Amino acid sequence: LAKTTQPPSMEAYEGQEVNVSCSHTNIATSEYIYWYRQVPHQGPQFIIQGYKDYVVNEVASLFISADRKLSTLSLPWVSLRDAAVYYCIVTDRVDRGSALGRLHFGAGTQLIVIP
Amino acid sequence: EAAVTQSPRNKVAVTGGKVTLSCNQTNNHNNMYWYRQDTGHGLRLIHYSYGAGSTEKGDIPDGYKASRPSQENFSLILELATPSQTSVYFCASGDPTGGAPEQYFGPGTRLTVL
Repeated sequence: LAKTTQPPSMEAYEGQEVNVSCSHTNIATSEYIYWYRQVPHQGPQFIIQGYKDYVVNEVASLFISADRKLSTLSLPWVSLRDAAVYYCIVTDRVDRGSALGRLHFGAGTQLIVIP
Repeated sequence: EAAVTQSPRNKVAVTGGKVTLSCNQTNNHNNMYWYRQDTGHGLRLIHYSYGAGSTEKGDIPDGYKASRPSQENFSLILELATPSQTSVYFCASGDPTGGAPEQYFGPGTRLTVL
């Protein structure tokens, strides 16, 4: 599974758009990119996933570079509720026995939202 | 909305004692997972299951056992608890064979071993 690298922390003011980057230079052709977030005292929550180009849902958008080595999670108009640790995870969607569905969490990016 | 519940939410145990953490999911997902999270770190996979009757070792299985008696229930068992197992434990369910490997997590169990 490809290793990911994220900034350890970021700060943003309420109402700003926030872009959280993730580097996955060794991503394999069968691997997808997932983003989760975790607020204090709760389990991680799935945000968005993608393979290439641009993906958007009601919560966030995800841009993936053409070579798939970099992805950027974009959160529009952040509020205090968006203060959380954001995890970028690369995992295989192909059935490879025990690898299927396993998520490897790194340290993530702590997003601090300033009122 | 996916629903994963864990019990107990908080547990204090003594060294050498047996601890059982329970997880229930109402999503009818085939896969279930147990993770632990230590302060300032991401989650680490302990055990997982592909369905009732199956358990598989994750990345850090030593000192833990798992049991999946039914589709809905997945337990994590610490036969001889040690202080190093003090942590927050999260259970999750998912259905990757359906093409959507996102996992749904429970609220966590905070375990303190004295």
